[in-house]
Amino acid sequence: KAGVTQTPRYLIKTRGQQVTLSCSPISGHRSVSWYQQTPGQGLQFLFEYFSETQRNKGNFPGRFSGRQFSNSRSEMNVSTLELGDSALYLCASSSPTSGNLLGVEQFFGPGTRLTVL
Amino acid sequence: GNSVTQMEGPVTLSEEAFLTINCTYTATGYPSLFWYVQYPGEGLQLLLKATKADDKGSNKGFEATYRKETTSFHLEKGSVQVSDSAVYFCALSDRTGGFKTIFGAGTRLFVKA
Repeated sequence: KAGVTQTPRYLIKTRGQQVTLSCSPISGHRSVSWYQQTPGQGLQFLFEYFSETQRNKGNFPGRFSGRQFSNSRSEMNVSTLELGDSALYLCASSSPTSGNLLGVEQFFGPGTRLTVL
Repeated sequence: GNSVTQMEGPVTLSEEAFLTINCTYTATGYPSLFWYVQYPGEGLQLLLKATKADDKGSNKGFEATYRKETTSFHLEKGSVQVSDSAVYFCALSDRTGGFKTIFGAGTRLFVKA
């Protein structure tokens, strides 16, 4: 079974631009979560989608948004990029029973490294 | 809110040394606890988990016991190898947190030959 894939792997943008990152979960997984990883803040939860619905959102500004498609693929978008948005963005998928994520393993992709100049 | 606190790294050990990475948590519900590992250039992968008090998770020689009385989930390994060099993350999820997984800051482990 193929793992979680993320595209692109590396991205360089300038301040004020916007960016879209893509995540393809493991086949059959309906839950997709996004995280921002930085040396100073560690892993910060962005949002989680299940069956095209956003169920949870972390404490990030509205410039960060996401969506999930009917095939469970997910995208996240960051508008008006700031230098502080430079980070590794990780996507994780899981297969919760009845949508319940308690105790369920998440499978992570390799991440997209975003650099904002 | 929920939170996870891990010992700061980096931790540097010689091969075959004993490893302990401390992890404590704060949660209002009854969380599930996890250890994830991140090797250089890769995403995180689950190392072990425990879903209720006194459960012991184990994998690849690593162990951690869910201690509700001390709200801890310390990671241990009896004899580390160079290949164990990685960043280790303690994490929790529970119902009151909306099932979000909250991660600790991570502990980098270096194992010298």
